[in-house]
Amino acid sequence: QITLKESGPMLVKPTQTLTLTCTFSGFSLTTTGVGVGWVRQPPGKALEWLALIYWNDEKRYSPSLESRITITKDTSKNQVVLTMTNMDPVDAATYFCAHRPPGNYVFDFWGQGTLVTVSS
Amino acid sequence: QSMLTQPPSLSTAPGQKVTISCSGSSSNIGTYYVSWYQQFPGTAPKLLIYENNKRPSGIPDRFSGSKSGTSATLGITGLQTGDEADYYCGTWDRSLSAGVFGGGTKLTVL
Repeated sequence: QITLKESGPMLVKPTQTLTLTCTFSGFSLTTTGVGVGWVRQPPGKALEWLALIYWNDEKRYSPSLESRITITKDTSKNQVVLTMTNMDPVDAATYFCAHRPPGNYVFDFWGQGTLVTVSS
Repeated sequence: QSMLTQPPSLSTAPGQKVTISCSGSSSNIGTYYVSWYQQFPGTAPKLLIYENNKRPSGIPDRFSGSKSGTSATLGITGLQTGDEADYYCGTWDRSLSAGVFGGGTKLTVL
């Protein structure tokens, strides 16, 4: 049974760096083809794809945010970390992490999401 | 602005059928499989359709997917009030080397 859960601050100040952790179980990020990604959703708005890290440490980023975000993994802890620098109020959103199965550009299991507010 | 275009909203009656379109380009839908997600307010998206037309275990056959060229469609038959949700299409984009989602369609069943 695959589960994922996001954790991190609910509130960050403008210009600060956001660090979110996705802790997962039920799969290994050392299995060929597996990935973990991040998606965000501002209140009342659409899903936005952010980043993906693969089992082999390859990474993909949204071009519009690539200069500000970094995705890393710690396979020993079953965790994936997303950092986003220079936070702005427009970055306020619910941030989801999700499991990417081998051989498919799909997210089949999602975390519950964590709401991040950006305010001074 | 999303790379994939969906109608912002659709409304239909219980028991009817609805189709939700997702239009893209040769760099995304034209090349890769399309998936569909259902999202209720305050919850995470749920995978409904993957590889254009496959349903994960537990998804009823009232939900179907298809793809033609650079467009994809989600079909829902026998609509129920419990199907009221937001629906998103998603795929990969070769030019961006990143995933993309549609802008979402809010489905109302009344």
